[in-house]
Amino acid sequence: GNSVTQMEGPVTLSEEAFLTINCTYTATGYPSLFWYVQYPGEGLQLLLKATKADDKGSNKGFEATYRKETTSFHLEKGSVQVSDSAVYFCALKAGGGNKLTFGTGTQLKVEL
Amino acid sequence: GAVVSQHPSWVICKSGTSVKIECRSLDFQATTMFWYRQFPKQSLMLMATSNEGSKATYEQGVEKDKFLINHASLTLSTLTVTSAHPEDSSFYICSARGLAGGSSYEQYFGPGTRLTVT
Repeated sequence: GNSVTQMEGPVTLSEEAFLTINCTYTATGYPSLFWYVQYPGEGLQLLLKATKADDKGSNKGFEATYRKETTSFHLEKGSVQVSDSAVYFCALKAGGGNKLTFGTGTQLKVEL
Repeated sequence: GAVVSQHPSWVICKSGTSVKIECRSLDFQATTMFWYRQFPKQSLMLMATSNEGSKATYEQGVEKDKFLINHASLTLSTLTVTSAHPEDSSFYICSARGLAGGSSYEQYFGPGTRLTVT
């Protein structure tokens, strides 16, 4: 079956530090890959996505590249801000259906 | 745009009672709604998918008689936890899929409902 594995948190960084949150997946075929962000008290929001190998999704300074050879979709940001503190979920959708398979989420805390 | 609300945001109920959770798409029509359950430090687990006007499709292992889903309109779906027990305590999240804000058929998530059964 499909599955998503992401690094455990919490990840604590100082403002302006470089961020990497690792995500690897197992899926049949060619899934679409997503990163969602959940700010405190709010619903999950789509942060970025990539639908085929070597695609790079980007939004709000965050980037992730679809690496089929390593089955990975790591999230990166060059300089984090306190406002980026949230829980980040990696997810995939495969087989042409609507079902999203999520990782366990990684909490990011950014401090001054 | 693309706002999904849930009500209530948290609820405490006694064992054996039933509780209803509402999910509404506020500014778009949701052709499909999804219900997820999230345990602490675990991923969201899809419980069921519902299309407006049809019966919900439940994931394997989810009791359809215990978790009743109604998708009566293009903007409202409800999840009723019947005869709740402490093991049903969890965070329930809905999402809605439809054409919203120019984004073609993304899933938009509600803020979740914390259910505690005593």
